[in-house]
Amino acid sequence: GQQLNQSPQSMFIQEGEDVSMNCTSSSIFNTWLWYKQDPGEGPVLLIALYKAGELTSNGRLTAQFGITRKDSFLNISASIPSDVGIYFCAGQPSGGSNYKLTFGKGTLLTVNP
Amino acid sequence: GAVVSQHPSWVICKSGTSVKIECRSLDFQATTMFWYRQFPKQSLMLMATSNEGSKATYEQGVEKDKFLINHASLTLSTLTVTSAHPEDSSFYICSAAGAREGYTFGSGTRLTVV
Repeated sequence: GQQLNQSPQSMFIQEGEDVSMNCTSSSIFNTWLWYKQDPGEGPVLLIALYKAGELTSNGRLTAQFGITRKDSFLNISASIPSDVGIYFCAGQPSGGSNYKLTFGKGTLLTVNP
Repeated sequence: GAVVSQHPSWVICKSGTSVKIECRSLDFQATTMFWYRQFPKQSLMLMATSNEGSKATYEQGVEKDKFLINHASLTLSTLTVTSAHPEDSSFYICSAAGAREGYTFGSGTRLTVV
């Protein structure tokens, strides 16, 4: 089945720094999604990408759908303490009616005030 | 925006008993609902996919007799953990997919079996 490699596994940064994380896939996806999960909560959608090459922003967050359709990155600019959490990428493989998502293993972000 | 309600948020039960977890899409019709399990510091593991009115499709290695899924309507799916054992303790999360709403996750259920 599809595999997603998400890196880095964890990051420790100072408040105000920029953050970058990425996911690569062994196969093509037609949708890339980025989620944030706080402890004890379900994931919350941050950004959805539907087209190869698409670059989308949501406030301080920017994500891109790689041209090869096998990768995506998420950038967070000027981090703040509430950015702490686990960030997951997820992809939906090409194939139309298949709704299943494949998740990366997550990036644990710690922001020191 | 799309909202998915999951209840209970946490439950403690005795070994051998059954526990039911509900997942409701509050403001949209969910053609498909998904159930995930998550261990501490790990990613989400898909357990099963359910479509309204049909049997759930279970992922490899997931016991369908142990994790009963019912998707009785376009807004409600339930997961019943039958004859629970301590190794079933985990964080269970549902998500619902609508035609226009994409994937929305519930807030999760922390199950502890003692």
